[in-house]
Amino acid sequence: DAMVIQNPRYQVTQFGKPVTLSCSQTLNHNVMYWYQQKSSQAPKLLFHYYDKDFNNEADTPDNFQSRRPNTSFCFLDIRSPGLGDAAMYLCATSRDTAAGYTFGSGTRLTVV
Amino acid sequence: AQRVTQPEKLLSVFKGAPVELKCNYSYSGSPELFWYVQYSRQRLQLLLRHISRESIKGFTADLNKGETSFHLKKPFAQEEDSAMYYCALRNTGRRALTFGSGTRLQVQP
Repeated sequence: DAMVIQNPRYQVTQFGKPVTLSCSQTLNHNVMYWYQQKSSQAPKLLFHYYDKDFNNEADTPDNFQSRRPNTSFCFLDIRSPGLGDAAMYLCATSRDTAAGYTFGSGTRLTVV
Repeated sequence: AQRVTQPEKLLSVFKGAPVELKCNYSYSGSPELFWYVQYSRQRLQLLLRHISRESIKGFTADLNKGETSFHLKKPFAQEEDSAMYYCALRNTGRRALTFGSGTRLQVQP
């Protein structure tokens, strides 16, 4: 009964080869977030969608893009992954801004 | 800029001992504070939020604006409390949460 699903759980990509991570939700939450978490560090917000409105964080590199084709799906695109982009990527959803998050299980990205 | 600090990477206690996981924040406005927990091989999940003033699984947390702290406490630790705990903050007018780097709680038998 997973409500926020991230695919795949593990992703290995080559240096410089575009990669897309997927997040889907069955909660009908209007806000979806992408966080990057490196080892022993805090999850760091990359961007979020409030409905169709895209909100980028000021320090998110241009290499990271996102798409939200409908309420249920949100994608994280890394145009040219570098070794420093290896991390756990967490997707989360919330109903509006006052609610707590529901997290996916994360996708662990390895760059070789 | 808002910041959340969890000074301890690891806290190890024995079963039945009291637990206090520290969280300090820096923000000048009126923040919302949360605690999230991640058990082994599970996803991050909400444990409690300060506006609810509730006790979940025996844990409580009080927002102390004077000390800018939101420490998580439990009087008697259980082995099943072993997990990673993250403190998080949301300021008014901003949707997203800012997380601390987490504290791993180990409860030994």
